[in-house]
Amino acid sequence: RKEVEQDPGPFNVPEGATVAFNCTYSNSASQSFFWYRQDCRKEPKLLMSVYSSGNEDGRFTAQLNRASQYISLLIRDSKLSDSATYLCVVNGATSSASKIIFGSGTRLSIRP
Amino acid sequence: NAGVMQNPRHLVRRRGQEARLRCSPMKGHSHVYWYRQLPEEGLKFMVYLQKENIIDESGMPKERFSAEFPKEGPSILRIQQVVRGDSAAYFCASSPQLNRAEAFFGQGTRLTVV
Repeated sequence: RKEVEQDPGPFNVPEGATVAFNCTYSNSASQSFFWYRQDCRKEPKLLMSVYSSGNEDGRFTAQLNRASQYISLLIRDSKLSDSATYLCVVNGATSSASKIIFGSGTRLSIRP
Repeated sequence: NAGVMQNPRHLVRRRGQEARLRCSPMKGHSHVYWYRQLPEEGLKFMVYLQKENIIDESGMPKERFSAEFPKEGPSILRIQQVVRGDSAAYFCASSPQLNRAEAFFGQGTRLTVV
């Protein structure tokens, strides 16, 4: 089983739609979680951290379910500029040597 | 505070040559990660280093690839005797010593083996 798994997509949705991605992780001792965005041929950039209580940043909502070991990202009122690959990221489990693991990414395409 | 700096941005090597990729982490960051991304694929973890130590190299190919992060200077990813299949984007990321912290990426080095 991969350490971090995502549906690769692609998700092709119309502008204005709501879209959600899930990500599962295998190590129950993982400590911190993030969503990154990667545009074509660019470096990944942090989109938002994911907290146990859930957090929202404008049209984006991230949630963490530790019991089921999954993370979700919800995008409301999607824009053309949201087209990108979304990477689920888990920061590892040990106190002194945490390893950051990236999922393979979910590709999102927003159509006019 | 400059971001993560990688150089060169583009590197062309002939088969059999050596490729040397450099990464200078953000100021104050002591953790460095290297990832490889093949065309149309996701990021694949290669190696995780702290200053003068390799913490996890489980993603590194067993031969031809090596990495270091010396006390002074940038982290280096070295690929010896490159082959066409090594052509990819190589991204470096750094994070501070604090646990739970996010990683910041450099712009990557695109290696092309001809």
